[in-house]
Amino acid sequence: NAGVMQNPRHLVRRRGQEARLRCSPMKGHSHVYWYRQLPEEGLKFMVYLQKENIIDESGMPKERFSAEFPKEGPSILRIQQVVRGDSAAYFCASSPPGGTSNSPLHFGNGTRLTVT
Amino acid sequence: GEDVEQSLFLSVREGDSSVINCTYTDSSSTYLYWYKQEPGAGLQLLTYIFSNMDMKQDQRLTVLLNKKDKHLSLRIADTQTGDSAIYFCAETSYSSASKIIFGSGTRLSIRP
Repeated sequence: NAGVMQNPRHLVRRRGQEARLRCSPMKGHSHVYWYRQLPEEGLKFMVYLQKENIIDESGMPKERFSAEFPKEGPSILRIQQVVRGDSAAYFCASSPPGGTSNSPLHFGNGTRLTVT
Repeated sequence: GEDVEQSLFLSVREGDSSVINCTYTDSSSTYLYWYKQEPGAGLQLLTYIFSNMDMKQDQRLTVLLNKKDKHLSLRIADTQTGDSAIYFCAETSYSSASKIIFGSGTRLSIRP
């Protein structure tokens, strides 16, 4: 039973390029969460999605960032026109229906984005 | 808003017990968690406790919850070098609904 799978593990982008981070939830999980961890800091909530729906995007920067969780395939976190300040580890977590009220979050190993 | 606070560093001698403390502000917390992060790795769920419990023990780990003081602790007995990591306290609540709120993490280092 595979856990939460994120790819790529490491991603290097030049300033102005686009970054696409993928997350496949655990089997049977229909809720996906994205968190960002800046160097030497804790995790900050970005967005919570169910299949084809964004439930809570209160932690997403207003510009350049978007997320989707289509009916088929992984969840995608997309960062357009990356800047150096976007360099961070991006973690995805998933939970079954009911969200965190019934079940702890299980995290993937993260994607480490470096913007040069 | 909700807030979770931890001390940043803890140093203990190998074989001693480590106690990592955490305070939180949300009185409607439902679950409280401890996650472990080793260098360059993801987050490993160590243990969690529901808010109507005051203690949970799992092998070398003991979680104590004081709901009145909104204080959570993680005790690691017989600390080993492999316990070196950052430990994150986190909580979820009825008011935060979908989100888990994390503390900034406590970096545990082990002295020989």
